[in-house]
Amino acid sequence: QSALTQPASVSGSPGQSITISCTGTSSDVGGYNYVSWYQQHPGKAPKLMIYDVSNRPSGVSNRFSGSKSGNTASLTISGLQAEDEADYYCSSYTSSSTPAVFGGGTKLTVL
Amino acid sequence: QVQLVQSGAEVKKPGSSVKVSCKASGGTFSSYAISWVRQAPGQGLEWMGRIIPILGIANYAQKFQGRVTITADKSTSTAYMELSSLRSEDTAVYYCARGPTMIVDWFDPWGQGTLVTVSS
Repeated sequence: QSALTQPASVSGSPGQSITISCTGTSSDVGGYNYVSWYQQHPGKAPKLMIYDVSNRPSGVSNRFSGSKSGNTASLTISGLQAEDEADYYCSSYTSSSTPAVFGGGTKLTVL
Repeated sequence: QVQLVQSGAEVKKPGSSVKVSCKASGGTFSSYAISWVRQAPGQGLEWMGRIIPILGIANYAQKFQGRVTITADKSTSTAYMELSSLRSEDTAVYYCARGPTMIVDWFDPWGQGTLVTVSS
């Protein structure tokens, strides 16, 4: 089972917007609206930021948004803040024998 | 608001087994699934398997079939993950996380993580 493909790193300045992509196949990202995104600060557990492609859990800032086109899902963070600096992981349901797959992670640096 | 609290760090010898616990408090346990996800040092996340406590049904990632056993005790709202035939590559932080039962979808919240070190 191959991991979903994410860029290793992205960066942006405070106040800017950035987008992190997550590319899979028609067996996972492209076939289902079960894509979620997680934020992980060093030494901490991941935190759910987006679920089912574009839904925000209660308490998550509306600066975080998700979308999907074809086999690629995207996480956009607007109005970048220093505390957004973290690793971000996407995840998707998959129709394979292993029903969940993660992306390799993207390190976001706020310049 | 549900919280997941995991057992403490473990150091194990190659070839042995480890059993990590995950206790839920402050919310519903049985009507959700509990997944286990691991993260090797400096690496990404890897889904290992999950259990639906109310049904007692577990399913596992193909990679870990035959080596991992996930169980749950509804009376104590605790899930367990046991990994056998440990090797150095199993050194990782192991997380439990709650999710929906119908499909392996989102994971929220997560436990604090349990570091398992496999070393001779």
